Amino acid sequence: NAGVMQNPRHLVRRRGQEARLRCSPMKGHSHVYWYRQLPEEGLKFMVYLQKENIIDESGMPKERFSAEFPKEGPSILRIQQVVRGDSAAYFCASSPEQDTQYFGPGTRLTVL
Amino acid sequence: AQSVTQLDSQVPVFEEAPVELRCNYSSSVSVYLFWYVQYPNQGLQLLLKYLSGSTLVESINGFEAEFNKSQTSFHLRKPSVHISDTAEYFCAVISHGGSYIPTFGRGTSLIVHP
Repeated sequence: NAGVMQNPRHLVRRRGQEARLRCSPMKGHSHVYWYRQLPEEGLKFMVYLQKENIIDESGMPKERFSAEFPKEGPSILRIQQVVRGDSAAYFCASSPEQDTQYFGPGTRLTVL
Repeated sequence: AQSVTQLDSQVPVFEEAPVELRCNYSSSVSVYLFWYVQYPNQGLQLLLKYLSGSTLVESINGFEAEFNKSQTSFHLRKPSVHISDTAEYFCAVISHGGSYIPTFGRGTSLIVHP
């Protein structure tokens, strides 16, 4: 059973461009979570999704950020018009039920 | 509301010495508790968890943690550390009956010296 997969592992964007981060959960996992990690800080929750539904987006910035988990395919975290402050590591986690989460390797976004 | 406090941002220790990484939580209801380990430039790996039952939980690589409800703690211990244990360790809590979104501590950097 492959683990949680994220791609790309590294992403470089210029200010104003769009960033798309993809996450494929573990087989059989229907819950997906996105987190952001800044240097010297812990993980900050962004959004919790199940198939085709956003369950909790209380950690998402109000503008420029969106997430989806379609019926087919990976979950996508989309950041429009990126700014330097968006530079961070973004982690996806999945779980079969609402307890133990399994993390992907992360996408490290650098905004120039 | 739930919260997690990891009191030590950095814990230096010599190889083969014992170590304890402290974690205290706050929640008004029953909780699930977790420890994750993160190696440089990698994602978080689940180290061990407490969901119910025995309050002492163990990992396959010699770590253990004990859920202490009266002290609201879930400290992580290892009797003898290796160089390869050098990593960032995160404690997390999930409160029952809520949104089941975990709250993570800020992390403790374990640095094992030869």
